[in-house]
Amino acid sequence: SAVISQKPSRDICQRGTSLTIQCQVDSQVTMMFWYRQQPGQSLTLIATANQGSEATYESGFVIDKFPISRPNLTFSTLTVSNMSPEDSSIYLCSVEVAGQGLASYEQYFGPGTRLTVT
Amino acid sequence: RKEVEQDPGPFNVPEGATVAFNCTYSNSASQSFFWYRQDCRKEPKLLMSVYSSGNEDGRFTAQLNRASQYISLLIRDSKLSDSATYLCVVNKGGYQKVTFGTGTKLQVIP
Repeated sequence: SAVISQKPSRDICQRGTSLTIQCQVDSQVTMMFWYRQQPGQSLTLIATANQGSEATYESGFVIDKFPISRPNLTFSTLTVSNMSPEDSSIYLCSVEVAGQGLASYEQYFGPGTRLTVT
Repeated sequence: RKEVEQDPGPFNVPEGATVAFNCTYSNSASQSFFWYRQDCRKEPKLLMSVYSSGNEDGRFTAQLNRASQYISLLIRDSKLSDSATYLCVVNKGGYQKVTFGTGTKLQVIP
């Protein structure tokens, strides 16, 4: 398993500003993921962050809006830029570690950052 | 068709009841399957992996049916603390590209 912490746990921000969310893992991991979960919805993958390379963004998400850093194997940041009320959501950091069985990988999540944009 | 589909519920069951959820997936090449539990305003937490032979953990039993492309979760002797949303997760293999279902909400009532 993996223990993941995120900072801040919540924030209220004004539109047009940016917020950087930090994710720290207690062990070295290759892949880190950033998800968004809007109220009443399931998780939507924003991007995959590999150490030493640029993040890979999913359809509908772009680097200018959600820049990601991955300076080492235990840490990543996600910035929500030029925020609007539509960005109000929970942002979750996740890592994938080898589980039991062949080709089985288990995902563990941080506690999330609850963002409200006014 | 969605990659992963779940009945959103809610399933309202009395304490002590047995309840089962199904989750269907569309990609026959999917390799790994999981059930996660998400409490209100909390992050998803891994409940159990689903193996081909099925697996059981206390009151929880998970099954995989590859022929019909669904997984199931059975909860016996429901407790109030089982109230949560249960997310089905499917992995096509290796790192990346897990797909989450939208979740099934369970409410256990006294």
